[in-house]
Amino acid sequence: DSGVTQTPKHLITATGQRVTLRCSPRSGDLSVYWYQQSLDQGLQFLIQYYNGEERAKGNILERFSAQQFPDLHSELNLSSLELGDSALYFCASSVDGRENNEQFFGPGTRLTVL
Amino acid sequence: GESVGLHLPTLSVQEGDNSIINCAYSNSASDYFIWYKQESGKGPQFIIDIRSNMDKRQGQRVTVLLNKTVKHLSLQIAATQPGDSAVYFCAETYNYGQNFVFGPGTRLSVLP
Repeated sequence: DSGVTQTPKHLITATGQRVTLRCSPRSGDLSVYWYQQSLDQGLQFLIQYYNGEERAKGNILERFSAQQFPDLHSELNLSSLELGDSALYFCASSVDGRENNEQFFGPGTRLTVL
Repeated sequence: GESVGLHLPTLSVQEGDNSIINCAYSNSASDYFIWYKQESGKGPQFIIDIRSNMDKRQGQRVTVLLNKTVKHLSLQIAATQPGDSAVYFCAETYNYGQNFVFGPGTRLSVLP
């Protein structure tokens, strides 16, 4: 158990809908990362937050947005969902978000768009 | 859990043998590299990292080698055990952690 929690574990929805994925980092970790893992694209970095502020942006679509709240939990919002958004979404946390701080990954949320 | 990357390259090794997993990275400006292990149904787990000013780093039963000339990274696992069966990813980043880029992964299968 990494100490990072993600909810829900599974999510099934329809095209065009909007969903919110939630992540609670390990106690004491200030930085949160979001990743998407799909069969055809592999593991892709989406976005990183540090202490409530966006720190780095990767391959995140404009239909997706994220935020980190004062209590350090984070939410990833996916809107206008398409079939291709079906994937595993991982959240990871690290102590202070520097590159050499180990990232601890949560168990993931599996999103299925029908 | 459902397998990710059903068509990944697979490396099969006998239990007790050494494993070598290779990764070609894309950006010559990358300055920090990480190897992750992902077991079925779980998130990736950090194994070992290396900075670009080094060419070798050792951990417990694992060694990472970096060849910047040919942009190649390898992970060596000594005395491979059944618990090492998983998908292994390399990741590269640059500019103080801006945008981690992951390799496609290699599935390691340990034979009894």
